[in-house]
Amino acid sequence: DARVTQTPRDKVTEMGQEVTMRCQPILGHNTVFWYRQTMMQGLELLAYFRNRAPLDDSGMPKDRFSAEMPDATLATLKIQPSEPRDSAVYFCASGAGGSNQPQHFGDGTRLSIL
Amino acid sequence: QQQVKQSPQSLIVQKGGISIINCAYENTAFDYFPWYQQFPGKGPALLIAIRPDVSEKKEGRFTISFNKSAKQFSLHIMDSQPGDSATYFCAASIGSARQLTFGSGTQLTVLP
Repeated sequence: DARVTQTPRDKVTEMGQEVTMRCQPILGHNTVFWYRQTMMQGLELLAYFRNRAPLDDSGMPKDRFSAEMPDATLATLKIQPSEPRDSAVYFCASGAGGSNQPQHFGDGTRLSIL
Repeated sequence: QQQVKQSPQSLIVQKGGISIINCAYENTAFDYFPWYQQFPGKGPALLIAIRPDVSEKKEGRFTISFNKSAKQFSLHIMDSQPGDSATYFCAASIGSARQLTFGSGTQLTVLP
């Protein structure tokens, strides 16, 4: 059963440290999304890529967040420097890009910034 | 314009009962309306989805009802089971391949 794989599952670090989250989309999927889930804001889009090109990153704080797809099998989300308000669960989702193809989510990275 | 409003925030139902969760949207360009189910520690998983050219879609015990003129859609879970206890999110997008706008979620508890 194909799955989106996210690493690490949990990350605890101190304020000011760099955080890198990784996502392996389902093989063959050409669309990758990054979402953030918090109690206050719910699930919100940070960025998304199609064929490795960024299409929308308007939900991402540009001064500290960056998202890339070095190749078709890896997407990364970096925070530098991290702040306590970045504490959340970060989900990656991938899709095949067709009109009837749903997004499949990974199990997320639970990030805690102390 | 991009909001999707979901209610109720929480719902408690007896085993065998019907669970109903409602959502309303504003952006008339939305044309794909999925429901996701999320268990603790897991990512959202697609449950069922509908497009606005149909008013109802049923898959097993799960039914989406869609009212295009009212810009509302709802999830009905028939014969609710304790294993259905989870958080449910409605969502909307312009095409399924584009970013989802999520509702705020409904925590469903089905009592045995």
